[in-house]
Amino acid sequence: IAGITQAPTSQILAAGRRMTLRCTQDMRHNAMYWYRQDLGLGLRLIHYSNTAGTTGKGEVPDGYSVSRANTDDFPLTLASAVPSQTSVYFCASSEQGSTEAFFGQGTRLTVV
Amino acid sequence: KQEVTQIPAALSVPEGENLVLNCSFTDSAIYNLQWFRQDPGKGLTSLLLIQSSQREQTSGRLNASLDKSSGRSTLYIAASQPGDSATYLCAVFRGGADGLTFGKGTHLIIQP
Repeated sequence: IAGITQAPTSQILAAGRRMTLRCTQDMRHNAMYWYRQDLGLGLRLIHYSNTAGTTGKGEVPDGYSVSRANTDDFPLTLASAVPSQTSVYFCASSEQGSTEAFFGQGTRLTVV
Repeated sequence: KQEVTQIPAALSVPEGENLVLNCSFTDSAIYNLQWFRQDPGKGLTSLLLIQSSQREQTSGRLNASLDKSSGRSTLYIAASQPGDSATYLCAVFRGGADGLTFGKGTHLIIQP
């Protein structure tokens, strides 16, 4: 069982470039999330989706966009990357918002 | 705004000891609380999920308790082993746009 797959595992990106982080889950979970993890700040919610076709903003949504065209995929796009977006990004899913959440292995992004 | 605090931030103990990690949260209106383990450079692994109506959950050597009214949870690790060394994260789910709100974690080292 793969669970949640994130790609790429790591990336170095020039500032100003566009980048999409991919997230796919095979558990048929309704809810999906994107978090970023930064030293000293912990994990913070960027965007979420409670079901396919709907998305919402979390705590730190600026500079990021998401889409949820189907149940399995939840890509995160940085339209024009900036150095402050250097972070480790985690995708997560749960059957419903109030049930156990499962996380992917993360994408380490460095914007230079 | 929900805030989650974990104490201590770091802990180093000899192998075999029983230990307690603490988590507190400011808003008691939560659906559940989840404990995770994170190994260096890895994703988050779910350890235990406690629903708001529950008082505790057990899995092997791990026991988590929840006192929702006082905004506290503890993770008890019995007979600690070097393989338990990791960062332990506590997170609460309040619903809506909040997703999971995380503490900053307890970095645990078990000395052989």
